[in-house]
Amino acid sequence: GAGVSQSPRYKVAKRGQDVALRCDPISGHVSLFWYQQALGQGPEFLTYFQNEAQLDKSGLPSDRFFAERPEGSVSTLKIQRTQQEDSAVYLCASSSLHGTDAFFGQGTRLTVV
Amino acid sequence: GENVEQHPSTLSVQEGDSAVIKCTYSDSASNYFPWYKQELGKGPQLIIDIRSNVGEKKDQRIAVTLNKTAKHFSLHITETQPEDSAVYFCAASSNYGGSQGNLIFGKGTKLSVKP
Repeated sequence: GAGVSQSPRYKVAKRGQDVALRCDPISGHVSLFWYQQALGQGPEFLTYFQNEAQLDKSGLPSDRFFAERPEGSVSTLKIQRTQQEDSAVYLCASSSLHGTDAFFGQGTRLTVV
Repeated sequence: GENVEQHPSTLSVQEGDSAVIKCTYSDSASNYFPWYKQELGKGPQLIIDIRSNVGEKKDQRIAVTLNKTAKHFSLHITETQPEDSAVYFCAASSNYGGSQGNLIFGKGTKLSVKP
């Protein structure tokens, strides 16, 4: 496709459930970023991939958060044992090397009940 | 690390007027400053960006200015239209050498353009 695609668009999880969020970046984009956006706030960095290598995971809030990009294209963000504070919109962005012209997907809105 | 402050948090203008949103950053190593527009229920959309070797950039009704000395950059929208109503985010990053270029965002400005 022409843009960054994320699925699902909406996810409701019961507290304690595991969830998996998918990102299909723009074809050929080397860099892939995950961001978390709380209601009324700007996006906050979670993790960064260059091709299949996860070069920075300093923004992941806890060890319940895990991301992968095994073939350097599609990425999955997994959250284990979800908590209420995990409720947010999770945004994926892709770009050419070094992050200029980053294009965002529509996000996945996660609600933990 | 980098910190980006954005003002105002809300801005209401009459259709046809200009709108200005201002941001400051803290890390002198930052060299890339994009602006994003986010409509309700959508992801941020890149509308304009500026690199540190340029002081001003224009694209139709939108312009961005950068003052590296003051670590300050601004978004200017002229002849505003109701469809400009959205939340606008400024961001900063460094992407030279081995830097990965993750963006540090401001808290956003909700712009309302009244017809």
